[in-house]
Amino acid sequence: GQNIDQPTEMTATEGAIVQINCTYQTSGFNGLFWYQQHAGEAPTFLSYNVLDGLEEKGRFSSFLSRSKGYSYLLLKELQMKDSASYLCAYYSGNTPLVFGKGTRLSVIA
Amino acid sequence: DTGVSQDPRHKITKRGQNVTFRCDPISEHNRLYWYRQTLGQGPEFLTYFQNEAQLEKSRLLSDRFSAERPKGSFSTLEIQRTEQGDSAMYLCASSLGAEAFNSPLHFGNGTRLTVT
Repeated sequence: GQNIDQPTEMTATEGAIVQINCTYQTSGFNGLFWYQQHAGEAPTFLSYNVLDGLEEKGRFSSFLSRSKGYSYLLLKELQMKDSASYLCAYYSGNTPLVFGKGTRLSVIA
Repeated sequence: DTGVSQDPRHKITKRGQNVTFRCDPISEHNRLYWYRQTLGQGPEFLTYFQNEAQLEKSRLLSDRFSAERPKGSFSTLEIQRTEQGDSAMYLCASSLGAEAFNSPLHFGNGTRLTVT
C-alpha cells in the first residue's frame, strides 16, 4: 500500500479482544475504511470513519484520529470465524481507495 | 440484486495469450473499479469508471492492460500478451458516487489468473 501501514500478522485467543492498528500519511484525507477478507474470498466492508472518534457496530469498533493519521479496529468476543485478513484503506482527494497490505489475524482456541 | 459478479472465477492461460475478464456491478452503482491483488498484499488500484467514462487509467500496469465499460453497466478488463507476473487475483468493485469519494466499495469474488 501507499503510505499506509499495519502489522502483518496477529494471533489472539477465542473470546478475547484484539486491536489492529493502522497508520497512514496523506493529504486531502476523506475517510478511513476497514475490510475483512477471508482466504480466497472478496474483501467485505466492515466500517467507515470520516470524523475523529469511535464507531461501534456489534462486536466490531473502529477508531480514527485524523491529526495522528491513526486508526484501529477493535474486535471483541473473538470467534474462530474471525480468522481472516483485515484491510485498512483510505480515500484521499480524488483518489480511489488506497489499501494497506492487510493484517492476517489467527484466532486460536 | 446479489452483488458484484465476476466471470470467470479462475483462468489458466499460457504466456503470450490474451485474456478478458467480465464484471457485473450492483445495478444501481454508477462507479466501477478494477483492482489487482497478489498473495500477502492488499488490493492495488488499476482503473475506475463513472458510468461509461474511464476517469483514471494511469495506474494500469502497462499498455497491455485495458478496460472498457461501454454502456455504463458491465465492464471488461483485457490483458494482452500475458506474462507470468500477471498472475494475480483481479477484483472488481462498485459503489455509488457523485463528486467526492466517500462510499464503501462492494467487491466481487474476483478472477484468479494463472499464467504458465
